[in-house]
Amino acid sequence: EAQVTQNPRYLITVTGKKLTVTCSQNMNHEYMSWYRQDPGLGLRQIYYSMNVEVTDKGDVPEGYKVSRKEKRNFPLILESPSPNQTSLYFCASSLSGGDEQFFGPGTRLTVL
Amino acid sequence: AQSVTQLDSQVPVFEEAPVELRCNYSSSVSVYLFWYVQYPNQGLQLLLKYLSGSTLVESINGFEAEFNKSQTSFHLRKPSVHISDTAEYFCAVSPINDYKLSFGAGTTVTVRA
Repeated sequence: EAQVTQNPRYLITVTGKKLTVTCSQNMNHEYMSWYRQDPGLGLRQIYYSMNVEVTDKGDVPEGYKVSRKEKRNFPLILESPSPNQTSLYFCASSLSGGDEQFFGPGTRLTVL
Repeated sequence: AQSVTQLDSQVPVFEEAPVELRCNYSSSVSVYLFWYVQYPNQGLQLLLKYLSGSTLVESINGFEAEFNKSQTSFHLRKPSVHISDTAEYFCAVSPINDYKLSFGAGTTVTVRA
């Protein structure tokens, strides 16, 4: 089944404790992206990647890191999480720009 | 840079009534336009998209949207809604020569019997 998977689905952590949210797609898509969803703000793009080893900042990259060492994986790293990073995070992939983006199920992160 | 404005944050509607969700965008370049739907506790799914050609696009479940370049709008309509259409709807734009996708704040549609 073609899908985007994220892990973990739920995470509660404390300020300053490094964490990684994994994202994997099995559709051989070149393009992958991370978004955060906050009430009243819609989805805001954090980082995106057009291919292996090619990443770029979205609208809200501060406090986040990403890497794209393999085509299928695009982990999101929070080196020192803060409470303002409490949010619902979505990973997405598409064949190329302008194509439909397929979204993962989301990761709900709470930073205390 | 581009931006998206969804003019209604909440739209309550009775079952079998029509609904229109308004979306306006601004961009200095040509764009692709999308509507995504998010059902409760789920991820986003593509509802329909406009890339080029006919300005009226339709989805398989009865929604349609019309691209109006002069008014920079991409409003979503359905002539008769069902309870199962209760969801949050997001309008999004992407520059044609870019991978960046910008979303509106979303419109929550609540369908009542």
